[in-house]
Amino acid sequence: EIVLTQSPVTLSLSPGERATLSCRASQSVSTYLAWYQQKPGQAPRLLIYNASNRATGIPARFSGSGSGTDFTLTISSLEPEDFAVYYCQLRSNWPSITFGQGTRLEIK
Amino acid sequence: QVQLLESGPGLVKPSESLSLTCTVSGDSMTTPSYYWGWIRQSPGRGLEWIGSISFRGTTYYNPSLKSRVTISFDTSKNQFSLGLTSVTATDTAVYFCARPGGSLGDYWGRGTLVTVSS
Repeated sequence: EIVLTQSPVTLSLSPGERATLSCRASQSVSTYLAWYQQKPGQAPRLLIYNASNRATGIPARFSGSGSGTDFTLTISSLEPEDFAVYYCQLRSNWPSITFGQGTRLEIK
Repeated sequence: QVQLLESGPGLVKPSESLSLTCTVSGDSMTTPSYYWGWIRQSPGRGLEWIGSISFRGTTYYNPSLKSRVTISFDTSKNQFSLGLTSVTATDTAVYFCARPGGSLGDYWGRGTLVTVSS
């Protein structure tokens, strides 16, 4: 079973700053990784699929990178609406999916 | 626009069965390449994939839940359903139905809270 570990657990930043979120897989998953954003009371929203492809309608300030075991979600300049919880999702055994434990991005 | 809507009881007694339905609008469940799934979220377990059903009706289940889960669909109603037997308090969660995807779109319902309690 492949395990996804996200870091940090909580990230405190100010609007306008750059956010870098990490997701590490316990073994190589090629680029079968997605990133989601979730706000309170809402379903998760797909941001990135196949490690680096932005989903439809996602602003260009969101970008994903990585392959193998190490992946990064970068938000280039934080907007107030970006403060939320972010999850990485493993898709290498589709349609089975696995989520990381999440990173909470909070306003400093 | 594809929309999914969960429905079902919000309270289930321990040892009984949970039953939820997801109604899909804006697309056909039998469109090739689509998979329709159930995912739940609780404070203790985070986001957990329960299982999926393909456009052909093939089912895939989380091994940790496989013995208690059944997913089926009714193509005439464009609905798919989740059954979970022998529930306990640890099955208390928000249950989402979804059509996970990528370039073809990724769609989720709003989620429905199911509480297991006597």
